[in-house]
Amino acid sequence: KAGVTQTPRYLIKTRGQQVTLSCSPISGHRSVSWYQQTPGQGLQFLFEYFSETQRNKGNFPGRFSGRQFSNSRSEMNVSTLELGDSALYLCASSWDSQPNQPQHFGDGTRLSIL
Amino acid sequence: GNSVTQMEGPVTLSEEAFLTINCTYTATGYPSLFWYVQYPGEGLQLLLKATKADDKGSNKGFEATYRKETTSFHLEKGSVQVSDSAVYFCALSGRSSASKIIFGSGTRLSIRP
Repeated sequence: KAGVTQTPRYLIKTRGQQVTLSCSPISGHRSVSWYQQTPGQGLQFLFEYFSETQRNKGNFPGRFSGRQFSNSRSEMNVSTLELGDSALYLCASSWDSQPNQPQHFGDGTRLSIL
Repeated sequence: GNSVTQMEGPVTLSEEAFLTINCTYTATGYPSLFWYVQYPGEGLQLLLKATKADDKGSNKGFEATYRKETTSFHLEKGSVQVSDSAVYFCALSGRSSASKIIFGSGTRLSIRP
């Protein structure tokens, strides 16, 4: 069974640009969550999508947005990039959004802002 | 709100030593508790979980017991190996479907041969 796939693995952008990251969940999983991981702030929750609807949102500015498609694939977009957006962005999927469901993580997209 | 506090690293041990990584939590109600592990260059993997008080999660020689009276979920392993070197995250999830998983700050573990 294929795991969670995130593309691209690495990305370099400059300040002010925008970026779109992609996540393909495990087949049959309908919940997709996104996290930002940095050395200083650790793992921070961005948002969760379930059946194409945003179910939960973390404390990030509106520059961070996402969506989920009917096949459960998800994208996140960051506009007007800032240096502080440099991070590892992790996507995780689960069967549904029930709280005791473990999340299955992809290997992440490492975004570097110059 | 819900929160997780775990022991700061890095933790360095010799092979075959006993491991404990402390984790305490603050939550309303009865959360589910998890330990995840992150190997270099990879995403997080679920290591073990417990969903109610006194449950013991175990996997790959690691164990953790859900202690409601001390609001703790400490990770233990009797004899660590070099391959256990990684970052370990304690996490909790509330009971409602609107809950999101809250992660601790992570503890980096290094095992010397």
